[in-house]
Amino acid sequence: GQNIDQPTEMTATEGAIVQINCTYQTSGFNGLFWYQQHAGEAPTFLSYNVLDGLEEKGRFSSFLSRSKGYSYLLLKELQMKDSASYLCAVSQGGSGNTPLVFGKGTRLSVIA
Amino acid sequence: DTGVSQDPRHKITKRGQNVTFRCDPISEHNRLYWYRQTLGQGPEFLTYFQNEAQLEKSRLLSDRFSAERPKGSFSTLEIQRTEQGDSAMYLCASGATGTKNIQYFGAGTRLSVL
Repeated sequence: GQNIDQPTEMTATEGAIVQINCTYQTSGFNGLFWYQQHAGEAPTFLSYNVLDGLEEKGRFSSFLSRSKGYSYLLLKELQMKDSASYLCAVSQGGSGNTPLVFGKGTRLSVIA
Repeated sequence: DTGVSQDPRHKITKRGQNVTFRCDPISEHNRLYWYRQTLGQGPEFLTYFQNEAQLEKSRLLSDRFSAERPKGSFSTLEIQRTEQGDSAMYLCASGATGTKNIQYFGAGTRLSVL
C-alpha cells in the first residue's frame, strides 16, 4: 500500500519559522517532492530530495530521512504570501518521471 | 506561469453529458500526466503518456474516461456520461525523462457536474 501523512492545517506568524512534516510509506521510493499550491492555482515545484539530508533553497529548505520515511519542509522569514497549501509527494520508482503520490496537503495560514 | 496550458479553466455541465479537456505541455517535455484533485485532497494520478504512448492508467480511471495524446504534443481527456462524483479539478502536468521527475502543473480545469 501507499500512505503519505502530513498535518491538515498549521498557523504561523509573519517573520517566524515553520516546519511542515511528512511521513510516507510507499511500495517504492525514487524521490520526495514538495509543492506549493495557492487556492485555485496550479501546484508549483518547491524542492526535491532523493538522498538523506537537507536541501536549501533561499527561504525554503527540505530534509529527508529515507530510513525513517520522513521529510520536512522548513520555511523561514515567513511572509503573508506564503499562506498556501503545501503538498508532499513521492515518486515510487522506475526510470524516472513516474506518477507522483501526493499527501492531502497542509494548509498554512500566516498571520500578522 | 509554468508553461503548461489547460483549456477550459472552468466547465459546468449537466449529468450525463460528455466533456473534453485539453492540455498543452511544455514543448520539449515528452511526458504528460493527468491528475484529479478534490477539495482538501492532494492530486490523484489518473494516467500518463510518454510521447504518444499511454503508459499507465490508474484503477481510479473508469471506462467513462479516455485520454489521448495523438502526436505526442497536446493531450485531451474526455469524460463520457458525466456523474456528479466527477466534479473536481483536473490537473495536467508535464515532465522530461532524466530530469529528476520534476513535474510542472497547469492551472487545471475545474469541472462542475450539476
